[in-house]
Amino acid sequence: AQTVTQSQPEMSVQEAETVTLSCTYDTSESDYYLFWYKQPPSRQMILVIRQEAYKQQNATENRFSVNFQKAAKSFSLKISDSQLGDAAMYFCAYVRNSGNTPLVFGKGTRLSVIA
Amino acid sequence: GAGVSQSPRYKVAKRGQDVALRCDPISGHVSLFWYQQALGQGPEFLTYFQNEAQLDKSGLPSDRFFAERPEGSVSTLKIQRTQQEDSAVYLCASSLVVNTEAFFGQGTRLTVV
Repeated sequence: AQTVTQSQPEMSVQEAETVTLSCTYDTSESDYYLFWYKQPPSRQMILVIRQEAYKQQNATENRFSVNFQKAAKSFSLKISDSQLGDAAMYFCAYVRNSGNTPLVFGKGTRLSVIA
Repeated sequence: GAGVSQSPRYKVAKRGQDVALRCDPISGHVSLFWYQQALGQGPEFLTYFQNEAQLDKSGLPSDRFFAERPEGSVSTLKIQRTQQEDSAVYLCASSLVVNTEAFFGQGTRLTVV
């Protein structure tokens, strides 16, 4: 079974600084997708960034970028120029690109942003 | 609607009571998922529909949990004889097709007292 591990239950960052959230996963598949979702106190899960496993280039969305290391099965999220609105729970998620399978989530990292 | 809508947002149930949680997915989305999120944890998969067909219900924790999507759009998650351990946020998500980006509702927070 696929598993997703987030080893940092909590992280904090000063406003305007950079922070990296870690995620590792375990799979025997070669074709899959990885996601980072943000969950603020409103509970709405919001997609932050997506990476296709077949792409070597790391995905980037404005201040958010990933470091995807397929061989190491690592998928970290870097947030640059952190803003107060970035404070939330962040979940790493995996889904394989075949069959009818749901997203598998990690346990999350709570990010605090200090003004 | 523009997004996934869940109702009610909050539900308090007495132990032993039956509850029904509703999910309105994004129009046209084929896949619909239910997740259970305990406090401080990541979402755990419960069940999955493709149109009206329930293709996977392996995550349902007991036979007290039942989900349906009779017309391939709105889905209902029903919990019979609720127990305190059922207290959690129940998230619904939909996607255009399976294995692509899933869009989530705001969830229903169920508290069993």
